Amino acid sequence: EDQVTQSPEALRLQEGESSSLNCSYTVSGLRGLFWYRQDPGKGPEFLFTLYSAGEEKEKERLKATLTKKESFLHITAPKPEDSATYLCAVLGGSARQLTFGSGTQLTVLP
Amino acid sequence: ETGVTQTPRHLVMGMTNKKSLKCEQHLGHNAMYWYKQSAKKPLELMFVYSLEERVENNSVPSRFSPECPNSSHLFLHLHTLQPEDSALYLCASSQDLGQGNSYTFGSGTRLTVV
Repeated sequence: EDQVTQSPEALRLQEGESSSLNCSYTVSGLRGLFWYRQDPGKGPEFLFTLYSAGEEKEKERLKATLTKKESFLHITAPKPEDSATYLCAVLGGSARQLTFGSGTQLTVLP
Repeated sequence: ETGVTQTPRHLVMGMTNKKSLKCEQHLGHNAMYWYKQSAKKPLELMFVYSLEERVENNSVPSRFSPECPNSSHLFLHLHTLQPEDSALYLCASSQDLGQGNSYTFGSGTRLTVV
């Protein structure tokens, strides 16, 4: 059974204070790892897909990386508008749907 | 507004009521999903439809009944719910089953059972 664990559960940063969010996973044959952003009162919004260890993707202040056991979402010089819940999900083996983690609630203070 | 529209946005219902949640997508996607999102818990997959055929039913209580009349519409019929069913119910669609980079979520229905 695929499993995804995200840490920390919540993170408070000062504006400009860089940090990383962790997504640890257990899956039989990774077919894709996905990052989503969820704002309050809205559904998750797709950010990145990573397929193999060593792969990196960037978008503005966000960079996602992948190893064989975990993925990191690095946030460089965050701004208050980066405040949201970040969700990680995996697709593995013969699964036909994603397995999600519980998310990390990020708050960036001005 | 995203490509997936959910109505209503908020719903308060008594335990003896019957109500329905509606989801509509205009993205030409072939797969549609119902998820339950509770505080500090992973998204919980409830039902999956592919080309209007139900392909997954993850041990969801029978008080939740899905309906997919066509590839653009998905309903979740609710009856005799319990207070612990209060949550955010999200609808999503994707081009095909498990295609995570095309997952598009609606804004959800915030359900409160009193």
